[in-house]
Amino acid sequence: TQLLEQSPQFLSIQEGENLTVYCNSSSVFSSLQWYRQEPGEGPVLLVTVVTGGEVKKLKRLTFQFGDARKDSSLHITAAQPGDTGLYLCAGAQNAGNMLTFGGGTRLMVKP
Amino acid sequence: NAGVMQNPRHLVRRRGQEARLRCSPMKGHSHVYWYRQLPEEGLKFMVYLQKENIIDESGMPKERFSAEFPKEGPSILRIQQVVRGDSAAYFCASSQKPGQAYYEQYFGPGTRLTVT
Repeated sequence: TQLLEQSPQFLSIQEGENLTVYCNSSSVFSSLQWYRQEPGEGPVLLVTVVTGGEVKKLKRLTFQFGDARKDSSLHITAAQPGDTGLYLCAGAQNAGNMLTFGGGTRLMVKP
Repeated sequence: NAGVMQNPRHLVRRRGQEARLRCSPMKGHSHVYWYRQLPEEGLKFMVYLQKENIIDESGMPKERFSAEFPKEGPSILRIQQVVRGDSAAYFCASSQKPGQAYYEQYFGPGTRLTVT
């Protein structure tokens, strides 16, 4: 079983602060996806990273895939209350395979 | 394009009844995945289907659970003789045909099953 460890599990910060969420595994993934989930809703895809060392930016969010494709990070700059939510990383070993999800990071940004 | 559709959004069943959860994939997608999210736990894979085929059911409980994706109509996840431990949120995701360098799964809003 491939495991994805996400840290931290919970994060409460003030508006304007920066934060980083980590997603680590001992397994290699062919692709890794980051999702955001609101209460009572399904996960919404934020980004997919495929190449080792790849960096993708989505406004104030920066996603990085580790060189060995075993880990990833999500960095949020100048967090806003609208960033509050559950952030999930999910890896796939091969195209078409199931996703293995991390346990999630529950972020709260206080105004 | 409409997203992944799931219904019902909420389902209440008494112990011993059957639950049928439906999923219509995103337009153009022919691959469907079912995941379960138990209270205070992460999302866990259950089954992967293509039209009329089960590709991977390694995450499905051996008894009472079944899934299908017929040639016409939505994918169905069926739980027979439900027990309280089946109470969870069930999510469906769809993707385009694999064979590309990578793929992306898009999730529906989920069905929240409560067993009383």
